[in-house]
Amino acid sequence: EIVLTQSPGTLSLSLGERATLSCRASQSLGGTNLAWYQQNPGQAPRLLIYGASSRATGIPDRFSGSGSGTDFTLTISRLEPEDFAVYYCQQYGSSPFTFGGGTKVEIK
Amino acid sequence: EVQLLESGGGLVQPGGSLRLSCAASGFTFRSYAMGWVRQAPGKGLEWVSSISGSGGITSYIDSVKGRFTISRDNSKSTLYLLMNSLRAGDAAVYYCVKCLPAVTGIWTASDVWGRGTMVTVSS
Repeated sequence: EIVLTQSPGTLSLSLGERATLSCRASQSLGGTNLAWYQQNPGQAPRLLIYGASSRATGIPDRFSGSGSGTDFTLTISRLEPEDFAVYYCQQYGSSPFTFGGGTKVEIK
Repeated sequence: EVQLLESGGGLVQPGGSLRLSCAASGFTFRSYAMGWVRQAPGKGLEWVSSISGSGGITSYIDSVKGRFTISRDNSKSTLYLLMNSLRAGDAAVYYCVKCLPAVTGIWTASDVWGRGTMVTVSS
């Protein structure tokens, strides 16, 4: 089973700041079979990024993903009020399709 | 509009069974792999199971193998999760998810999520 470790657990930032979230896999994904999701309280998750770097339909370009192998990054270039949420990475290259533990982005 | 609507959750005793359903609309259901993801109260996301578009290929997390069965009825655009021998650890919101089209392989990211249905396991 591939374990995904997200860091930091909590990120405290101000509006307009840049957020950098990390997702590290316990073994190589063998490609870019990694997605990022955003979840607001009481809501279902929303797909942001798939294939490590492709934005999903309707996702603003302030969200970007990068990485391959074992190290992946989600970057939010300038935080907007609606971006304060919990973010999860997921690998879908090898069953079980595990999620990371999440990073909470909170307002500083 | 693409929509997924789960139903079938509720309170069940340990050892009991439930069948979750997910009614899909707004897309050609048979063309996409589908799955279930759960989230225990206050916890993170956990992938549970996925099924290919034809229904011929399935995958499960180890903790539910032999107890849960994923299936689909493409004529009704409906996904199912039959859950037997339920345990306290299975209590969660269960989300139905649609997968993106696969360029290679079968499994991809989940681009559409339902609102979820709550499963409570308690005596």
